[in-house]
Amino acid sequence: DTGVSQDPRHKITKRGQNVTFRCDPISEHNRLYWYRQTLGQGPEFLTYFQNEAQLEKSRLLSDRFSAERPKGSFSTLEIQRTEQGDSAMYLCASSLAVSGNTIYFGEGSWLTVV
Amino acid sequence: RKEVEQDPGPFNVPEGATVAFNCTYSNSASQSFFWYRQDCRKEPKLLMSVYSSGNEDGRFTAQLNRASQYISLLIRDSKLSDSATYLCVVNRSGGYNKLIFGAGTRLAVHP
Repeated sequence: DTGVSQDPRHKITKRGQNVTFRCDPISEHNRLYWYRQTLGQGPEFLTYFQNEAQLEKSRLLSDRFSAERPKGSFSTLEIQRTEQGDSAMYLCASSLAVSGNTIYFGEGSWLTVV
Repeated sequence: RKEVEQDPGPFNVPEGATVAFNCTYSNSASQSFFWYRQDCRKEPKLLMSVYSSGNEDGRFTAQLNRASQYISLLIRDSKLSDSATYLCVVNRSGGYNKLIFGAGTRLAVHP
């Protein structure tokens, strides 16, 4: 499968613990996005990379959240000191650097904070 | 007020029915428009782009009214497999795909 892959698919963690999600985009895609989706809502934009540069961050991305894409390929999203309100599906997506180009979503990483 | 507003539904319709979803967006600078489909606990998938001239893809017709900042999706001859959440999406940025999603409208098609 050469689509966007995310790992782990499901994570249950205790409040206060740190968690890290990984995203591997489609290989030739140089744009990578992170979104968060809570129950009953649509996905919300978190951040965007073009190659290794993080070009925009939503105000939703508090200081407990950090995203990296060190070599312009895979990306990680780390949440420190998790809170119950962080429980959500974290979606990664990628696209080519062509305006209007379709973005492709991974299957998401489900986080439950207990 | 959310940037993209949709009726959450659910819309419960029999097979074969025609159903219409509406959506409004508040940012007049929005560049492009889409409908995505999302099955339960799955990722969103692009259903179709939406153009001012209106566009059709089989049983699905999408329409954009930029003056009213209104987007619609019409599904004709509903199938059981159309049951899903339909997300109205606008691309706010001209430079990259900063997609802003509505909360979605749930459709349940029954026999």
